[in-house]
Amino acid sequence: GAVVSQHPSRVICKSGTSVKIECRSLDFQATTMFWYRQFPKKSLMLMATSNEGSKATYEQGVEKDKFLINHASLTLSTLTVTSAHPEDSSFYICSARVTSGSDTDTQYFGPGTRLTVL
Amino acid sequence: AQKITQTQPGMFVQEKEAVTLDCTYDTSDPSYGLFWYKQPSSGEMIFLIYQGSYDQQNATEGRYSLNFQKARKSANLVISASQLGDSAMYFCAMSNQAGTALIFGKGTTLSVSS
Repeated sequence: GAVVSQHPSRVICKSGTSVKIECRSLDFQATTMFWYRQFPKKSLMLMATSNEGSKATYEQGVEKDKFLINHASLTLSTLTVTSAHPEDSSFYICSARVTSGSDTDTQYFGPGTRLTVL
Repeated sequence: AQKITQTQPGMFVQEKEAVTLDCTYDTSDPSYGLFWYKQPSSGEMIFLIYQGSYDQQNATEGRYSLNFQKARKSANLVISASQLGDSAMYFCAMSNQAGTALIFGKGTTLSVSS
């Protein structure tokens, strides 16, 4: 299957600072990537859809000014958590959708980023 | 509205036995895709199997098979010959149109014992 990387895997930051998380599709181009948030022992909650070359589409209740998404190339989307607070501590995971080949429309996930805000 | 329901919070099985994880879905779209992912304690989401709504045959991938019953709107995952390494959280998910994000169920925690 396709490979998606995510960096960093873990980050600890102070309250009020900003944190950038990168999501890369390593062996395919992804015009669409997705950002999810997951609390312990819970399911994944979609935060936003990242579209290459255009603005991200945010889900209801997700603050677009707090969670900045940029999809500047066909292989890279970034999520920046601005002015992070302890309640932003969570597991953030991205996915990229394959658009050609035998697994078209399958979404492959990055390994996730565990954010802890002190 | 689209919805995925997984009614089994936890399942227990012994090594080498088969286990079925239940998943039902609700959608009004005629075209959709159904996915199963495995999430071990490390957190990564591992793609297991996919079933398209128009696929005539049930999907199979090694020890994984998807029991797709369209009329019942169910897409159960069957794991044959369970292994200790199968212990993880399993999520059923659905996409309705090409390009949309996945809608996930609440997940089922599978524990395999020796």
